[in-house]
Amino acid sequence: DAGVIQSPRHEVTEMGQEVTLRCKPISGHNSLFWYRQTMMRGLELLIYFNNNVPIDDSGMPEDRFSAKMPNASFSTLKIQPSEPRDSAVYFCASSTRGGYTFGSGTRLTVV
Amino acid sequence: GENVEQHPSTLSVQEGDSAVIKCTYSDSASNYFPWYKQELGKRPQLIIDIRSNVGEKKDQRIAVTLNKTAKHFSLHITETQPEDSAVYFCAASIRGGGADGLTFGKGTHLIIQP
Repeated sequence: DAGVIQSPRHEVTEMGQEVTLRCKPISGHNSLFWYRQTMMRGLELLIYFNNNVPIDDSGMPEDRFSAKMPNASFSTLKIQPSEPRDSAVYFCASSTRGGYTFGSGTRLTVV
Repeated sequence: GENVEQHPSTLSVQEGDSAVIKCTYSDSASNYFPWYKQELGKRPQLIIDIRSNVGEKKDQRIAVTLNKTAKHFSLHITETQPEDSAVYFCAASIRGGGADGLTFGKGTHLIIQP
């Protein structure tokens, strides 16, 4: 199994631009989570899906953030428009009955 | 919502000694408590987890203890080695098993001194 696959690994964008982060969960995992990691705030849960349905998006910081899971093998996290304070590492994780498996993350830098 | 506090933020121990990291949680409904290890620039990786029906769990040099009454749990690493140097995160969730989101502590930077 290739694990949780995220793309891109690194993204540098200018303030105001739209950013889309992508995630492919492990096949058979029915839960998918988006986390953001910063030095100041640690690992924060943004949103999670069960069976492709968004369950809790209370961690999404602002309306500029949105996430979709159109099918069991793909999810996106979009930021529009991006701001410098959005700079962080964004992790996707998937799970079934056990612990989470994290992807390698996307390091986002907004300049 | 759940709040997880983790201490210490940095822990330095001599190689071969033991290390203990402690966490407390606020929601008595939480019943799943995993620990993750994150090396610099890498993803968090699950190293051990415990559920509320168990008080202690051990896997080679790593053990986790849980006190539900006091709402705290701890990670114990014995015979520490240089490769144990990393940031360790505790977490808690209510339903566990991946059915809901994990709330993480702020992490402990473990430094193993040679």
